[in-house]
Amino acid sequence: AAGVIQSPRHLIKEKRETATLKCYPIPRHDTVYWYQQGPGQDPQFLISFYEKMQSDKGSIPDRFSAQQFSDYHSELNMSSLELGDSALYFCASSPRQGHSYNEQFFGPGTRLTVL
Amino acid sequence: AQSVTQLDSQVPVFEEAPVELRCNYSSSVSVYLFWYVQYPNQGLQLLLKYLSGSTLVKGINGFEAEFNKSQTSFHLRKPSVHISDTAEYFCAVSLPRSAGSNYKLTFGKGTLLTVNP
Repeated sequence: AAGVIQSPRHLIKEKRETATLKCYPIPRHDTVYWYQQGPGQDPQFLISFYEKMQSDKGSIPDRFSAQQFSDYHSELNMSSLELGDSALYFCASSPRQGHSYNEQFFGPGTRLTVL
Repeated sequence: AQSVTQLDSQVPVFEEAPVELRCNYSSSVSVYLFWYVQYPNQGLQLLLKYLSGSTLVKGINGFEAEFNKSQTSFHLRKPSVHISDTAEYFCAVSLPRSAGSNYKLTFGKGTLLTVNP
């Protein structure tokens, strides 16, 4: 079965650089969620989209922005990177209908390292 | 706002022993409850979920959990663990649509289960 695809899987950046993380949801899933998991931490919700509109916002820094495109893939843009942004970034997708409508399917994550 | 407390940060057990990973939640409204497993350097995989109905929920890999509303708990159990069960386990909650939720997940801090031979 198709899963959530995230790219790149690993990313190394310098401080103050920018980064773009991409997420391709499972086909026919219209909702995308982004989470940030710091070293040894639990995942923290950043932002979500439903039908290309932002549906909820969590502890996402102003330096970050995200959007969902017409093909439902999503991108998380991160600017002025800081050392503390080093983390594993997960994308999850979910369908709004069907028996899995309240279940999130997670991608493998993008490991961002800021030097 | 809802919150999740996982009472044990680490649980070491021997192979074939039973295990219980504890999870308590706090919320002013009804919640949906989930257990996820994370193997090293991998994503999160859903083990099981409780939405409503029977309080005993069976999941994958022989795991089960029991929802206890009066104790606001959702403990995860397995009667006999294997070496391959060594992983980080996260308990999570989300609110139902009736509470204006977008189903975002709030996670506990995680429990590292280490199964020793």
